[in-house]
Amino acid sequence: ETGVTQSPTHLIKTRGQQVTLRCSSQSGHNTVSWYQQALGQGPQFIFQYYREEENGRGNFPPRFSGLQFPNYSSELNVNALELDDSALYLCASSFTGRGTDTQYFGPGTRLTVL
Amino acid sequence: SQELEQSPQSLIVQEGKNLTINCTSSKTLYGLYWYKQKYGEGLIFLMMLQKGGEEKSHEKITAKLDEKKQQSSLHITASQPSHAGIYLCGAEPRPGEYGNKLVFGAGTILRVKS
Repeated sequence: ETGVTQSPTHLIKTRGQQVTLRCSSQSGHNTVSWYQQALGQGPQFIFQYYREEENGRGNFPPRFSGLQFPNYSSELNVNALELDDSALYLCASSFTGRGTDTQYFGPGTRLTVL
Repeated sequence: SQELEQSPQSLIVQEGKNLTINCTSSKTLYGLYWYKQKYGEGLIFLMMLQKGGEEKSHEKITAKLDEKKQQSSLHITASQPSHAGIYLCGAEPRPGEYGNKLVFGAGTILRVKS
């Protein structure tokens, strides 16, 4: 196990609603990255947080937003949910500042939008 | 933007047989990660390769990085049912930048028949 935890494990929402997903990073890590994985595809980078600031963003609209807290845990918020937002959401924690910064993934949150 | 193509998309092998999965990049590879994923679960880190010609092994899994060909291969020797899953390669799109954001291939589904 990586020590990265995510909650909830599963979630069902309806179109137009808002959702918050949570991630606790591995001890000693200071960076959290979020990915969206649609069925049958590889993970797509959403954004990354380092020292509570957004440190890079993928090709996702502004209704995808996030936070990182002083303890390095993180939240992913999605507003105005669309059917295509149904996916497995993965967070990964890493340590930035030591050369290699391998990302270790949590178990994911399965979001279904009806 | 960088794209990773994995081949084959899926394969079924008899237990005890060897197999190879390839990952080809559209751009120069600066850091290449291999992960394994059980369906619907998080990614498990296998290996990271940084230098051209680098080769790493863990138990019965060997990964190589051919920088000139912008390609990496993952070889499994004497496959076992525990090797079944989805293998994903991920690449850092830019070199030496703190806080890597990974680009992933679509994955290779491996089934091992006992």
